[in-house]
Parts: sequence; C-alpha cells; structure tokens
Amino acid sequence: DTAVSQTPKYLVTQMGNDKSIKCEQNLGHDTMYWYKQDSKKFLKIMFSYNNKELIINETVPNRFSPKSPDKAHLNLHINSLELGDSAVYFCASSPRAQPTDTQYFGPGTRLTVL
Amino acid sequence: AQSVAQPEDQVNVAEGNPLTVKCTYSVSGNPYLFWYVQYPNRGLQFLLKYITGDNLVKGSYGFEAEFNKSQTSFHLKKPSALVSDSALYFCAVTSTTDSWGKFQFGAGTQVVVTP
Repeated sequence: DTAVSQTPKYLVTQMGNDKSIKCEQNLGHDTMYWYKQDSKKFLKIMFSYNNKELIINETVPNRFSPKSPDKAHLNLHINSLELGDSAVYFCASSPRAQPTDTQYFGPGTRLTVL
Repeated sequence: AQSVAQPEDQVNVAEGNPLTVKCTYSVSGNPYLFWYVQYPNRGLQFLLKYITGDNLVKGSYGFEAEFNKSQTSFHLKKPSALVSDSALYFCAVTSTTDSWGKFQFGAGTQVVVTP
C-alpha cells in the first residue's frame, strides 16, 4: 500500500490556468508538507499543516493556497499559473510536527506550464 | 538561520569501492540531521538520521553516517558501492530551536557508480 500518494503524477497546462494537486497519506500522521523541487533539484518547503492547522507558510506567492480537509489530506491549489511555477511538487508527512521526526515523501507531481 | 552544504555536485566511484557523500551544517542549537536518496522520477526515500547518542548512525541499504560536532559534519558512507546506489542524495537539518520540523535541505549530490 502506498504510504503517501499524490495525484496527478504529471500536469501540463497553459499559463494563466488554475490547477490543483492532491495528496493523501495512510500513515496516521498528524503533519503534512508541500515542497517544491526546481529544475536544479533544489528542495524548498512551501507549507506545512499540523492537525489541519497551517504551521509553516514560507515566502510563497499568494497564488498558491493549501487546504487540509482532514489530517490525511493536503491539497495545493495554484491560481493564474506562470512559467516559473514549472517544477516537481512533493507532498510529505510526519508523525507530528517535531524537528526529530522523519518525513515521508510522496512520488511527486511534475507540473509543466506552457 | 539553518543551512546545509553539500560541497560536491557529483561523486563518481567504481563499484566495490567506498562511497562518501559530504555534508556540513550550520544551526542554532543542537542539530538533527537526515539523509535521503532520490532515484530518477521518484520521491525522496529516508536513509538515516542522527538525533542524539552514538555518533555513528546505521541506516538502510548498508549506508551509515558519522556525526562530527567539532567539524559540523554528517558525511554519508557506504563501504562498498553498488551500481544501484547511483542516485541523488540529500542531506537535511533541523534543530532544537526549530518548533515545527522545518527541514533545510542541501543542494544534493549526484552519485554515479560505474561497473
């Protein structure tokens, strides 16, 4: 069984469109994260939710809006997509929001904006 | 502010030889250190972590890492590399001053193991 899953795996869209990426974890974790991996493979955290509450909100354009309907799900909605949004987006989860906790990553969603 | 440096973009090693991937860090407080591996078109897989205690940490797939506080390093090692170890390796750090488990990742090191 997949522990952290993301849909879709690939997303190709035009500039200006709005799109969503979904993430689900079946590990029973309290905390979920969104990361962006750019073309140089650099990983940067975007958001984190703990028990459905936003706890980390990095300097991300407000076109990006996360939503956590419950502890097992964290979605990412992106408005007015730009070329620079092209990247791989990873979801992750951890048992709690503790600095000692291992984070478990999903397979990624490759977003291409044309 | 936390930071992680992986000084080598790429490490090349022959199969059967020892593999070392370097990582140095800078944090406020005491560090918690992690290693992950990313295979092509895949997510990150956890290898090992240092929280406290023994400086030598053993992890998955025969990997180990040594925490060195004086040198602020956490190098990843494997005694005998396999071709299947070819992948992108990331070091990450949090610390005792971090409230929420906010990972700071290094830039990654590409490992190429040749037969």
